[in-house]
Amino acid sequence: DAGITQSPRHKVTETGTPVTLRCHQTENHRYMYWYRQDPGHGLRLIHYSYGVKDTDKGEVSDGYSVSRSKTEDFLLTLESATSSQTSVYFCAISESDPGQYEQYFGPGTRLTVT
Amino acid sequence: GENVEQHPSTLSVQEGDSAVIKCTYSDSASNYFPWYKQELGKGPQLIIDIRSNVGEKKDQRIAVTLNKTAKHFSLHITETQPEDSAVYFCAASILPEYGNKLVFGAGTILRVKS
Repeated sequence: DAGITQSPRHKVTETGTPVTLRCHQTENHRYMYWYRQDPGHGLRLIHYSYGVKDTDKGEVSDGYSVSRSKTEDFLLTLESATSSQTSVYFCAISESDPGQYEQYFGPGTRLTVT
Repeated sequence: GENVEQHPSTLSVQEGDSAVIKCTYSDSASNYFPWYKQELGKGPQLIIDIRSNVGEKKDQRIAVTLNKTAKHFSLHITETQPEDSAVYFCAASILPEYGNKLVFGAGTILRVKS
């Protein structure tokens, strides 16, 4: 398995509180991604990073921000959590070498916003 | 943007039978098509992928076919086993770009009955 860890693995929080999810990799891969998984929607890209301090939005970025200060860490922040952000969040990584496009996923974080 | 549709949403087969899952995509520029298997409580795991310059790819009991003209691709699992029971996701992306921004189908629940 790719060396990807996510923390926390489970979290319950109240509406309006800030929440930060962490993704940590030991593979030294350039690209990192945050997805959310909801029934009937598969996985949807929230934000991604193509290098330290280089990030961009995905298809469902509203209400989320990200930061990447080190190659190995990619943080996802919900500034003010809402019930619609209750979901399972997955981090993924991929290499940058030509032909090495495979994307590998972490174990996920289940977030419940009450 | 890209849209990926996946069918069926659930599929039940007898052990030893074949299973086929189909996906269609909307953006003719998409050129990378991975398939993921997700077991309960785990992150998606890449099982096979295909690029647009190839029409078919096999890996033991798993095969993927791609029809660029019709913009659809399929996953074929032969001699199904109970451990094949899981949720399967197809995805599509355009390479090379900054990273590998996957657009996923909604998923297929495969049940293999013994």
